[in-house]
Amino acid sequence: DAKTTQPPSMDCAEGRAANLPCNHSTISGNEYVYWYRQIHSQGPQYIIHGLKNNETNEMASLIITEDRKSSTLILPHATLRDTAVYYCIVRGLLGGATNKLIFGTGTLLAVQP
Amino acid sequence: GAVVSQHPSWVICKSGTSVKIECRSLDFQATTMFWYRQFPKQSLMLMATSNEGSKATYEQGVEKDKFLINHASLTLSTLTVTSAHPEDSSFYICSAALVRGGSYEQYFGPGTRLTVT
Repeated sequence: DAKTTQPPSMDCAEGRAANLPCNHSTISGNEYVYWYRQIHSQGPQYIIHGLKNNETNEMASLIITEDRKSSTLILPHATLRDTAVYYCIVRGLLGGATNKLIFGTGTLLAVQP
Repeated sequence: GAVVSQHPSWVICKSGTSVKIECRSLDFQATTMFWYRQFPKQSLMLMATSNEGSKATYEQGVEKDKFLINHASLTLSTLTVTSAHPEDSSFYICSAALVRGGSYEQYFGPGTRLTVT
């Protein structure tokens, strides 16, 4: 079962920042927070992952709360091509059954022109 | 880098026939590959995990005799849907794991849309 809770849908205006929340209150100490997105009829695309520090890459920023029970994915300047379902997943980094990526229902982000 | 391909991208078959879907890691070796299935308007469901050279591990409720998985090399895994029926029509997505710099990264193929008539 997915260990995360996300809103089912969100809207964002093109050019504005999109902030996608995720609750993972049962996350354990060795589990990372991963974000993937899936554009319609395509395979999921990796976005970013983190343990406890905030992370940034060319696609997005990941802000993890100090207690690690929630996080926010930030797309700084959303474009129409960012319209997709965004999945927040918690998973161990290495080894064994914890390697499985289990997808929840995700958040459908609709970027509006 | 880290590209995963699938073939075919879509396939239509008749009920009762078998269909093979290939998943390849193009620029890396993947000791572990995963197969997912996605029905319309639903999330991805993990079907099985396959390790190169060993038998696949199936998730609960997935029939191993119906969904045959072969992971014969570090760059190729195949999923064969045997005796396909219309309810097997779905979007099948594979994923390959890459261990890099102490990190375990998982990359996804573009998916294969199967329609059984």
